[in-house]
Amino acid sequence: AQSVTQLDSHVSVSEGTPVLLRCNYSSSYSPSLFWYVQHPNKGLQLLLKYTSAATLVKGINGFEAEFKKSETSFHLTKPSAHMSDAAEYFCVVRLDSNYQLIWGAGTKLIIKP
Amino acid sequence: DAGVTQSPTHLIKTRGQQVTLRCSPKSGHDTVSWYQQALGQGPQFIFQYYEEEERQRGNFPDRFSGHQFPNYSSELNVNALLLGDSALYLCASSQRLAIYEQYFGPGTRLTVT
Repeated sequence: AQSVTQLDSHVSVSEGTPVLLRCNYSSSYSPSLFWYVQHPNKGLQLLLKYTSAATLVKGINGFEAEFKKSETSFHLTKPSAHMSDAAEYFCVVRLDSNYQLIWGAGTKLIIKP
Repeated sequence: DAGVTQSPTHLIKTRGQQVTLRCSPKSGHDTVSWYQQALGQGPQFIFQYYEEEERQRGNFPDRFSGHQFPNYSSELNVNALLLGDSALYLCASSQRLAIYEQYFGPGTRLTVT
């Protein structure tokens, strides 16, 4: 069965410092993986996606994620946090059988001034 | 170009009542998916509509039903509301069942008292 685990429910960083949001997945096949962001009172927005092309995926707003098959991980990073990055971030795996999306529980990113 | 729109924004209902939520997909999209997001959790897939038919369904009871209209807009109906149905209901649209790119609306916050 395919699943996704976000290892931290909350991550707090200072503005201008690096961001690391951790995600591990479980999949029988080569998975399709996504990161979505949810700002308060706004809809979910796709940050980036991995679909078996380059293992380092670049997304919007300076975020990127690296697919590591040996570690079954798809961690999200950003070199320098901005106050506007404060939001909830979701790691998502796509089922191969029917294309349904399986969501992690989310990581709340807090940016300290 | 309007994105995905949902109405109403907020709704308060009493246990046992019925509710209808509405969604208009992004222009050019023909597939609508519905998700339930409980507080502090990731979205859970309810069902997906394409060509006016329910194509896929998540693990939700029959109290949850839907409809898609010829203009691709969609409704989510929930009967016999329970307190546990209180959640943010998200609508997402995409093209031709291809959920690589799902665009989400801002959601409808349903509170059941």
